[in-house]
Amino acid sequence: DTEVTQTPKHLVMGMTNKKSLKCEQHMGHRAMYWYKQKAKKPPELMFVYSYEKLSINESVPSRFSPECPNSSLLNLHLHALQPEDSALYLCASSQGGEDTEAFFGQGTRLTVV
Amino acid sequence: AQSVTQLDSHVSVSEGTPVLLRCNYSSSYSPSLFWYVQHPNKGLQLLLKYTSAATLVKGINGFEAEFKKSETSFHLTKPSAHMSDAAEYFCVVSDQAYKYIFGTGTRLKVLA
Repeated sequence: DTEVTQTPKHLVMGMTNKKSLKCEQHMGHRAMYWYKQKAKKPPELMFVYSYEKLSINESVPSRFSPECPNSSLLNLHLHALQPEDSALYLCASSQGGEDTEAFFGQGTRLTVV
Repeated sequence: AQSVTQLDSHVSVSEGTPVLLRCNYSSSYSPSLFWYVQHPNKGLQLLLKYTSAATLVKGINGFEAEFKKSETSFHLTKPSAHMSDAAEYFCVVSDQAYKYIFGTGTRLKVLA
């Protein structure tokens, strides 16, 4: 199984809502990532969890709150988002070594209204 | 510091003709290099990777890439384009754990 599964596939939320994005992998990977991708741009790293601990936060606003409940699950909690936060949010996982590839999920298309 | 330059933002080829997508990188160390493909509104799929073994790397769907250290290049090729190859392609470099540096992408268009 080389899949990273993200739910939901699409999400529309108001600026006062609270919602969560979910990501799951069963490849035994020890690193999990959240990326944000705007249209016609490459993915931008937001957070990295290594061995269930937050190891990288790329100065992401606090309205995005990551959580790693266990080695297979990664959540991104969303609160008080702005319309400019609308994007494709991609989850990825990797073994974590220097020469290992990342496996990406299909993404959640988020629209903030 | 590591960086990636994809030399063409758009490439158009006719179906059945060769594909060449160009990528140059810079890295302080011996990097790992990857090519990913992204179809519209989808996630990224790994096409191939170079991790200091053979310099000519074969990937999925008939793609291959050659690592040329002297030219700091990792160009992606395919002998014969198919309509289903139309997508966005990203060259990625990594020389640190957890850090994947993406190029700006090349949009491949395949003409019938």
